[in-house]
Amino acid sequence: IQMTQSPSSLSASVGDRVTITCRASQSISSYLNWYQHKPGKAPKLLIYSASSLQSGVPSRFSGSGSGTDFTLTISSLQPEDFAIYYCQQSYSTPLTFGGGTKVEIK
Amino acid sequence: EVQLVESGGGLVQPGGSLRLSCAASGFTFGSYWMTWVRQAPGKGLEWVANIKQDGGEKYYVDSVKGRFTISRHNAKNSLYLQMSGLRAEDTAVYYCARDTYYYGYDYWGQGTPVTVSS
Repeated sequence: IQMTQSPSSLSASVGDRVTITCRASQSISSYLNWYQHKPGKAPKLLIYSASSLQSGVPSRFSGSGSGTDFTLTISSLQPEDFAIYYCQQSYSTPLTFGGGTKVEIK
Repeated sequence: EVQLVESGGGLVQPGGSLRLSCAASGFTFGSYWMTWVRQAPGKGLEWVANIKQDGGEKYYVDSVKGRFTISRHNAKNSLYLQMSGLRAEDTAVYYCARDTYYYGYDYWGQGTPVTVSS
């Protein structure tokens, strides 16, 4: 299953609303997870099952979608949110990640 | 506190072998699937392999099938990745992660770097 993220990068300001999309090459129901990755750090699970917020993750992060189209939204971008975001399908092996979306400071 | 600590990375020549380890603590290791994920320089995350709680099911990305072997020792709270026939394209930081099966990888180690070069 191919996972396609868009955009591959974006520039935004603190306080902006940011939306990242992820499309699967076939239906994956709601088996879609989102991760945040900062250089030199371990990736962090943000959202699982398309829309469930992982424990400890700020409520400004939210996810939606099912089937083939999914969205990660950051309602008000904070300085600590500048990172690379990946979607990942957990529907079937090989378990695939999207190519990533780099969120940069404008 | 859940902790995952990888070790065993390093520089190896093409065609060589390396064994990565991941020491787990802070949770009941034998109750979880476990996964290896890698990130090549300048590239995104790539799932490599995962293993069921009892080691009875193992799955691999096509590019490592027949060359890498995932295993675990539940009594030692340890996960392993035996890598052989290494290629330049296997150069990456390798992460171990706790696998909640459908619900993502909720804990990750800091990663261990592997460089395949002559």
